[in-house]
Amino acid sequence: KNQVEQSPQSLIILEGKNCTLQCNYTVSPFSNLRWYKQDTGRGPVSLTIMTFSENTKSNGRYTATLDADTKQSSLHITASQLSDSASYICVVSMIKAAGNKLTFGGGTRVLVKP
Amino acid sequence: DAGITQSPRHKVTETGTPVTLRCHQTENHRYMYWYRQDPGHGLRLIHYSYGVKDTDKGEVSDGYSVSRSKTEDFLLTLESATSSQTSVYFCAISETGTVTYGYTFGSGTRLTVV
Repeated sequence: KNQVEQSPQSLIILEGKNCTLQCNYTVSPFSNLRWYKQDTGRGPVSLTIMTFSENTKSNGRYTATLDADTKQSSLHITASQLSDSASYICVVSMIKAAGNKLTFGGGTRVLVKP
Repeated sequence: DAGITQSPRHKVTETGTPVTLRCHQTENHRYMYWYRQDPGHGLRLIHYSYGVKDTDKGEVSDGYSVSRSKTEDFLLTLESATSSQTSVYFCAISETGTVTYGYTFGSGTRLTVV
């Protein structure tokens, strides 16, 4: 079964600190992996997209890594800010003959405290 | 979210009544999607469209129908709403069906069936 598991489910960090979110997947055949940020009451917004050949990609203070061999990804947030409080969703795309097939993780809820 | 609008943003309806949610885009993207988001689950695909009058089912399509008579509008209809359809519904658009392209999500519609 194609699954995407994220950990932890939630975490609290102090402003200015770093944190790392984890994503493990069993989706096959793999096409790419995306990280989204979802603010409360809003739709998800893309942070990064990585294909099989990419093992790291940055977007400002967000850095995503991908190990396609172990089927693991991480999202590192550097020098957290209050605006980083959100849910972060890992999404894995599967190769299909037609159309897209995305499998969404359940998300990690991050709360940044001053 | 720029280029994609969902309406209404909130709706409360009674069990057994029909409900239609609207997704409107100004990006002229070919692909449009309807997802639902529930606690403990990742976003799950209900239906998607790959062109005017071209639609297909997603993984949780039972109880839902869709229509796309114009490129810019994608309607999701609950023919007879049930309490299990209480959820947050997101529309998404993508330029092509290939998995390397990103998705843009709307801000969501919170539907409560009482």
